[in-house]
Amino acid sequence: EAGVAQSPRYKIIEKRQSVAFWCNPISGHATLYWYQQILGQGPKLLIQFQNNGVVDDSQLPKDRFSAERLKGVDSTLKIQPAKLEDSAVYLCASSSYQETQYFGPGTRLLVL
Amino acid sequence: DAKTTQPTSMDCAEGRAANLPCNHSTISGNEYVYWYRQIHSQGPQYIIHGLKNNETNEMASLIITEDRKSSTLILPHATLRDTAVYYCIVRPRGVTSYDKVIFGPGTSLSVIP
Repeated sequence: EAGVAQSPRYKIIEKRQSVAFWCNPISGHATLYWYQQILGQGPKLLIQFQNNGVVDDSQLPKDRFSAERLKGVDSTLKIQPAKLEDSAVYLCASSSYQETQYFGPGTRLLVL
Repeated sequence: DAKTTQPTSMDCAEGRAANLPCNHSTISGNEYVYWYRQIHSQGPQYIIHGLKNNETNEMASLIITEDRKSSTLILPHATLRDTAVYYCIVRPRGVTSYDKVIFGPGTSLSVIP
């Protein structure tokens, strides 16, 4: 069974630029999560989708971050404009209706 | 805030059992205990989960106390590849239960040759 796919794996941008991350969940998983993980900390949930609807986006900085999950499968997370403090690993995870979450390899973002 | 507390770091000799404790004194009746680990530069990897009975799989064993306020993850024969950060989280399961999953800083396990 294929795991959660994410791209790109690494991204370096300058502050005020925009960036987008892509996630393809495990086939059949209705729930998709985006996490931000700052160095030395545990992952922090940014947004959770159930199919293509948002369940929780309470910790998503909506002035600069946006996410969508069209057709209830793939998802993209965008940052515009990026700040230095956005440097982190962005993790995507998926699960089957609130069951065990499986994580992708993450995208490491460095904002200069 | 995370619903669990774990030691910041632990060492374990290669080949010995690694016992990682986790306190979750405010766990609710419908919440499961999950363990994940994160090897450097990788995404978190699911290890095991349980509700109230002890569980074992090919990776580890999970011992949950009778009052469910704490648990221990056991890696029976630790290898250098088990060096990682281990996260203990509690969360409900199922379609009708939603709760934000909160990761704490976890336990950094170092397996020493």
